Amino acid sequence: QVQLQESGPGVVKPSGTLSLTCTVSGGSISSNNWWSWVRQPPGEGLEWIGEIYHSGSTNYNPSLKSRVTISVDKSKNQFSVKLNSVTAADTAVYYCARNLRITMSGVLRNWFDPWGQGTLVSVSS
Amino acid sequence: DIQMTQSPSSLSASVGDRVTITCRASQSIYTYLNWYQQRPGKAPKVLIYATSTLQSGVPSRFAGSGSGADFTLTISSLEPEDFATYYCQQSYTTPLTFGGGTKVEIK
Repeated sequence: QVQLQESGPGVVKPSGTLSLTCTVSGGSISSNNWWSWVRQPPGEGLEWIGEIYHSGSTNYNPSLKSRVTISVDKSKNQFSVKLNSVTAADTAVYYCARNLRITMSGVLRNWFDPWGQGTLVSVSS
Repeated sequence: DIQMTQSPSSLSASVGDRVTITCRASQSIYTYLNWYQQRPGKAPKVLIYATSTLQSGVPSRFAGSGSGADFTLTISSLEPEDFATYYCQQSYTTPLTFGGGTKVEIK
């Protein structure tokens, strides 16, 4: 089955750039699904950051759009996120997830499955 | 953005209790509503998608219902492994948004 694994630095300095990569195994990133990043500040809820299709098309959360870039590397079956100008408010567990798309009774449905295990990124000097 | 509001934010219940969690969208999302369970220190996992379809392997004590802007997750008889935080999520339009979560604790 498809599995996702996040990787990247656990600490980023304020005003720096957060960079994470998600490696997809057990399936192709070129399948008919979108691939998302979701984050969760300590003790708080979930926030969708954005998503990418294997063609390179992206959708971003407007709240982060000015600072975020999501990219895909089909040759490595990976997708990545970069968030610039980080502050302490960007400290969170970052998850990658497949935005699974299935047609049910003629209607396209989508949900997050599976998720990576998550990686904690702290913004600190 | 579509705002998702869950209630209650937390609840205490006993094993065997029936539990109901509600989720309200700021506009109609038809039946584009998913539910996730998150145990401490773990990633969320999908329980129910498209309002009422149980993910494979999810026990039948979980059920989802609703349409438009009002949705419900019901656990018919709480088991010890059900103590966790539950999130609703709308998949109608981007930005995809989550409810604030409902923490189910042991009474």
